[in-house]
Amino acid sequence: GQQVMQIPQYQHVQEGEDFTTYCNSSTTLSNIQWYKQRPGGHPVFLIQLVKSGEVKKQKRLTFQFGEAKKNSSLHITATQTTDVGTYFCVWMDSSYKLIFGSGTRLLVRP
Amino acid sequence: DAGVTQSPTHLIKTRGQHVTLRCSPISGHKSVSWYQQVLGQGPQFIFQYYEKEERGRGNFPDRFSARQFPNYSSELNVNALLLGDSALYLCASSLVGGAGNEQFFGPGTRLTVL
Repeated sequence: GQQVMQIPQYQHVQEGEDFTTYCNSSTTLSNIQWYKQRPGGHPVFLIQLVKSGEVKKQKRLTFQFGEAKKNSSLHITATQTTDVGTYFCVWMDSSYKLIFGSGTRLLVRP
Repeated sequence: DAGVTQSPTHLIKTRGQHVTLRCSPISGHKSVSWYQQVLGQGPQFIFQYYEKEERGRGNFPDRFSARQFPNYSSELNVNALLLGDSALYLCASSLVGGAGNEQFFGPGTRLTVL
């Protein structure tokens, strides 16, 4: 079956450093979404990527969808303490089953 | 506009009991999905409903069931509770469901099974 890995599991950075999380799939994905979940909170939608090679930016956040639509990344430039949380990539299979990646937990030292 | 609401916020049950969790989607949203999130893990998909029909089901036992009402609100029922059912249960709504639709999550119901 389809397998998607999200790495790293944890990332602890100094405020101001950059951060990147990756999702890698064994099969082609029709689209991918990214969500952020703050500690004690619920997932919040960040972005959706649909096209091969697509790149989208939201202020300090850059999202990429690979050319083969098998991988995606989220990059945060100059992290801030407000970026703390767990970042999930999410996709839907053909049976409308929504699948969350394992998540990358970001910790930021002030 | 109110976001997705869920009730109750917290619940404590004992093994073998039954529980009903409720979700009201954002006004105008016709699709509701349910997820189980165990501490330290990502949400696991349980069900998706669209226009009162089950559209997708995750790998959960038959003790888990759900339904969607004409006003698009939804209930998740869990029978014969096990200790392992302790988790945060999240409800999410979207306009039409299906791939590519942004999911709006509620605050969740924290279920503890003793």
